[in-house]
Amino acid sequence: GAVVSQHPSWVICKSGTSVKIECRSLDFQATTMFWYRQFPKQSLMLMATSNEGSKATYEQGVEKDKFLINHASLTLSTLTVTSAHPEDSSFYICSATPARDSETQYFGPGTRLLVL
Amino acid sequence: QKEVEQNSGPLSVPEGAIASLNCTYSDRGSQSFFWYRQYSGKSPELIMSIYSNGDKEDGRFTAQLNKASQYVSLLIRDSQPSDSATYLCARAGNTPLVFGKGTRLSVIA
Repeated sequence: GAVVSQHPSWVICKSGTSVKIECRSLDFQATTMFWYRQFPKQSLMLMATSNEGSKATYEQGVEKDKFLINHASLTLSTLTVTSAHPEDSSFYICSATPARDSETQYFGPGTRLLVL
Repeated sequence: QKEVEQNSGPLSVPEGAIASLNCTYSDRGSQSFFWYRQYSGKSPELIMSIYSNGDKEDGRFTAQLNKASQYVSLLIRDSQPSDSATYLCARAGNTPLVFGKGTRLSVIA
């Protein structure tokens, strides 16, 4: 149990376009989902926390208008990188917390974004 | 002071040896701790959690928690080259998990 999927697993886009990444909890309902970003050889950076049906809470320094998060159901959260630029190229990873265990985070496989 | 501290490594151990990974934390109110493994280019995967002082064993892995000294460790017995990865320590609290920067483990065949 506790499987989290992400789609797509990798994406290449042109500068200025928007990219949507989906995160799904496959076998549990996720009260909370998290979005992280990780640059090569660096540690995980939490971008935002989202709860189903409410606005996401963004970490300091993360532009909420650039990284749009929607958590429309207990099994799906999306991250949209708007007007992507090369500096947004990174590994984006989501995680989800089951309702039955509010502390444990299960990670999705990640989405590698390359902006040309 | 960082909330969760880990030695970045690399920690190199020979195959078959015990690898010992350590983590200290600053928030005395922390109750729950987690160890994740992250292979290069992949996302973290949960190895185990620990909530009480003492040891918790799961296969070749043993987590140890000492709340008085504010450290948590992960022992990997009979280390295998496939254990080579970055190990992340995390603590839970009233906020999302706080991760350490991870320790890179290299098991030499």
